[in-house]
Amino acid sequence: NAGVMQNPRHLVRRRGQEARLRCSPMKGHSHVYWYRQLPEEGLKFMVYLQKENIIDESGMPKERFSAEFPKEGPSILRIQQVVRGDSAAYFCASSPAPEVSGNTIYFGEGSWLTVV
Amino acid sequence: RKEVEQDPGPFNVPEGATVAFNCTYSNSASQSFFWYRQDCRKEPKLLMSVYSSGNEDGRFTAQLNRASQYISLLIRDSKLSDSATYLCVVNMRRTGRRALTFGSGTRLQVQP
Repeated sequence: NAGVMQNPRHLVRRRGQEARLRCSPMKGHSHVYWYRQLPEEGLKFMVYLQKENIIDESGMPKERFSAEFPKEGPSILRIQQVVRGDSAAYFCASSPAPEVSGNTIYFGEGSWLTVV
Repeated sequence: RKEVEQDPGPFNVPEGATVAFNCTYSNSASQSFFWYRQDCRKEPKLLMSVYSSGNEDGRFTAQLNRASQYISLLIRDSKLSDSATYLCVVNMRRTGRRALTFGSGTRLQVQP
């Protein structure tokens, strides 16, 4: 099954440490999205990337958060100096060209970050 | 105004009931529409696409009204397993920004 693969599935970090979340898109998909879901809240868009390009980062916090999707390898969401409020589920999704009507996105199972 | 708006619920219905969710979107240039389902502590999964002519998949019926910029999802004969959050998703044609926009979801709880 060549679905969207995320790892780690669960990650525990102490306050001040760094968290790195990885996402490999579905085969044939070149567009990647990251979403965050806080406990008991809805899905919040963070960033949209194509290979080597950030297309839309309007949902990314201004500090400590960064994302990349290199030419080779998975997309990485990096959170520096984590705080308790970063504890959440981070979902990655991928799609073929989303501008094509009818195309939609498919999610990975998520990475659950707990900051202690 | 949010780009995609949904009633957050929760909708509490008995088994066997018919329940309808509504969703409105602000961008008239929106091209395609979807309903996703998200179970507790799971990823959202595509439930069905929404076509202009309306479409049905078993107990689920989706409708689109472009003039009113309104999408609906009807669930007939509700099952306990239908309990989940239902997300309305709109694909808007625009460059430089993500095309797909998610509503915040409507929570359904089907009770025995």
